[in-house]
Amino acid sequence: EVQLVESGGGLVQPGGSLRLSCAASRFSFKNYWMSWVRQAPGKGLEWVANIKQDGSEKQYVDSVKGRFTISRDNAKNSLYLEMYSLRVEDTAVYYCARDDGYHFAYWGQGALVTVSS
Amino acid sequence: SYELTQPLSLSVALGHTARISCGGDNIGSRNVHWYQQKPGQAPVLVIYRDNNRPSGIPERFSGSTSGNTATLIISRAQVGDEADYYCQVWDSSVLFGAGTKLTVL
Repeated sequence: EVQLVESGGGLVQPGGSLRLSCAASRFSFKNYWMSWVRQAPGKGLEWVANIKQDGSEKQYVDSVKGRFTISRDNAKNSLYLEMYSLRVEDTAVYYCARDDGYHFAYWGQGALVTVSS
Repeated sequence: SYELTQPLSLSVALGHTARISCGGDNIGSRNVHWYQQKPGQAPVLVIYRDNNRPSGIPERFSGSTSGNTATLIISRAQVGDEADYYCQVWDSSVLFGAGTKLTVL
């Protein structure tokens, strides 16, 4: 069964930085687009960013452009999200998800990021 | 920009059929996907490309699209179906509806 495991969440002050990781296993990671999706407390799902199989193409939601960077290491079967200049409104559970053709059949369990002073 | 509209909540009697709508301009021309999310859990894909069920999803779950509305249909609703349901499309990037909370009475 496909497995996605996020790590790196935690409490950070406004303006701070954090790096999330997602370890993928039991599928050929290098063959799939991957995404980050977040969910603020009590709110709905919001897609954050995605990255092509070889890392050559990336997309971001407008609210994180210039502050977040998505990347991947296919040799390590890992997906990353580097978050800078964090804001209170970035507080959310962040999920990594495998793109199975513009939809997500597999999700990680999520990593909580709390931005607060 | 493209928008998806879902009802905030929906109630259905036990054993009856729930129909959760997702409105969008000419959404019938797009591929629509549906996710179920229970409290404290990650979302689960229940319908992809309008009316396809992933393996492990009961046949009670189905989908349809027509015109400006996509619908997730849950037949013979069970207490275990209580969850938030999100529709999703692709419009230059990934777009989710705001979600519908389903209550089974």
